[in-house]
Parts: sequence; C-alpha cells; structure tokens
Amino acid sequence: QLQLQESGPGLVKPSETLALTCTVSGGSISSSNDYWGWIRQPPGKGPEWIGTIYYTGTTYCNPSLKSRVAISVDTSNNKFSLRLNSVTAADTAVYFCARRLSAGTWFDPWGQGTLVTVSS
Amino acid sequence: SYVLTQPASVSVAPGKTARITCGGYNLGSKTVHWYQQKSGQAPVLVIYYDSVRPSGIPERFSGSNSGNTATLTLSRVEAGDEADYYCQVWDSSSAHVVFGGGTKLTVL
Repeated sequence: QLQLQESGPGLVKPSETLALTCTVSGGSISSSNDYWGWIRQPPGKGPEWIGTIYYTGTTYCNPSLKSRVAISVDTSNNKFSLRLNSVTAADTAVYFCARRLSAGTWFDPWGQGTLVTVSS
Repeated sequence: SYVLTQPASVSVAPGKTARITCGGYNLGSKTVHWYQQKSGQAPVLVIYYDSVRPSGIPERFSGSNSGNTATLTLSRVEAGDEADYYCQVWDSSSAHVVFGGGTKLTVL
C-alpha cells in the first residue's frame, strides 16, 4: 500500500526558506505511472496546489508561487522535496504531499501533513 | 485564473440525502474530483472523474457534472460523514490544479 510521509522543520523565520521532504514507501517514486505533488492548506482554509514533479524532474508549479518554489526528486532514496523561499506569515499552513496518477488529475493518497509556522 | 465556488455549509439530518455543489465556468467540460477531510486529517479522495468511486468508498457517495455545476451526493447520511468536502479540477488552459473553497457538512 502506497504511503507518503512529510518531514521538516515546524517553525521557519520570516524571509528564510521552508524546506520539506516527502518519503514514499510501498511503491517506487520512479514509476512511470505517477506524479508527485505538494499541496498546502492554511489554517481554516481550503487546499492550495503548490506544484507537481515527475521522476524525470519535470515540474509544474502554481503560477502564484512559481518564483519562490523549487521542487526536486531523489530517486535513489524514494523522496521528493519542496523548497519555498522568502517566506512570510501567509505561508503558514499544513503542507501535504500526495501522489497523482499520470493517467489522471486527482491526488491519492495524501500524506498526513505537517504544520509549518512562519514566525520570528 | 479558474475559480471553483462551493457553499460554505450544508446541513442534513441523519438518513437523508445531502447535495454539495461546486460551480465553475463551463465546469461540465472538465473532470471534477471530490475529497472528504475530517477534522485534523488529510483529505481523502471520494469521487474522481466526476462520478467514479475509489475502492473502499461506500456506494452512498455519488457524483455528477454538467453545465456549470458539479454535485456530490451523499445518500443515507451518517454521523461519520460530517466533514469538509472539496472539489478539484485540472485547468488545462493555465496548467493549474484548482480546489474549491470547501463545504462543511453538518449532520444534525
């Protein structure tokens, strides 16, 4: 059964870089059938897509975040990562990673999520 | 950018039918997916491709999409269905994943 698990600091200072990793288990991140995504959810709000990556490194990002986002994949360790620079309080959210089938446009399953707070 | 609009809340008595709508321009030309999110948990896919239920999702969950509105229907609602529900599409014109703002389903 495919499982995803986010990890990283829960507190980031304003203007610094948020860095998270998603570890995939129960399947290969190099599967040609899968894309891997980052989605965030500010407290009390709906989800916001951040971006999606294929094992080859091809990425698609939310235009509103694109200038600050970098998504990378580590096929050797079955992980993919998110970096978001120049963070502000508006970036405080629960960050989820999730799988997207290459044949579809939905996300399933999702990781449990990790809360990242931006504060000094 | 493409916008999906959902009612903030829907209330229903146990055993009745709840309908949660998702509105967007020409939404029927896109494929809509629905997620259930219980308090403190990650979203769970309950409908994809407008009306397909993933394995393990009860038959009480169904979906439709036509015109400018997609609808998630929950039949014979149970207390355990109380959650936030989100619709989602892929907007090919902007290569952008879009989520609705969510609907809180309350079981009376």
